[in-house]
Amino acid sequence: QVQLQESGPGLVKPSETLSLTCSVSGGSVSSGSYYWSWIRQPPGKGLEWIAYIYYSGSTNFSPSLKSRATISADTSKNQFSLNLTSLTAADTAIYYCARGTPPADSDAFDMWGQGTVVTVSS
Amino acid sequence: DIHMTQSPSSLSASVGDRVTITCRASQSINIYLNWYQQKPGQAPRLLIYRASTLQSGVPSRFSGSGSGTDFTLIINSLQPEDFATYHCQQSFTLSWTFGQGTKVEV
Repeated sequence: QVQLQESGPGLVKPSETLSLTCSVSGGSVSSGSYYWSWIRQPPGKGLEWIAYIYYSGSTNFSPSLKSRATISADTSKNQFSLNLTSLTAADTAIYYCARGTPPADSDAFDMWGQGTVVTVSS
Repeated sequence: DIHMTQSPSSLSASVGDRVTITCRASQSINIYLNWYQQKPGQAPRLLIYRASTLQSGVPSRFSGSGSGTDFTLIINSLQPEDFATYHCQQSFTLSWTFGQGTKVEV
């Protein structure tokens, strides 16, 4: 059974950079045709997909966050990470990592981490 | 981006009720529509993919339908554990977008 676990700072100052890591167990980030993704949820609002890194290493970003986000994977640690720059209060949210399955499978997010709360405040 | 709109934003229901939630896409997405359930303090859980296919382990009282731009999630005979927020999500493009969520409450 694949499990995902987010880690990162709970509090970040405005204009700084957020760095989050997702540790994957029970599966490999470098195999299986999966889209390893970051998704966030501002307080009381809906879900917003941020970015994915494909098992092959290719990446894709939400157009609204593309200029501020980077995503990478460390296959030796079986982790993938998100960096989000120039933070504002609008970036305050629960950040989830999730596994996206390929079109040959469910073509959906079938596994999620528990989420990590990030607050942007001075 | 494809914009997803759910209705209603919230609804009140009772145990045993039949609940209907709709999701509309800003352009045709064929059947590439997924539904998730989220309980307070928990991550979302995949319920239905490709508009109508139940994820393994999901009770059969949940069903989904639709294609193109209009989709429906139905919960037959609402159970106490079904009070939650439901999200739709399109996977037609690799720039995934979600609806704003529908909260099902007592």
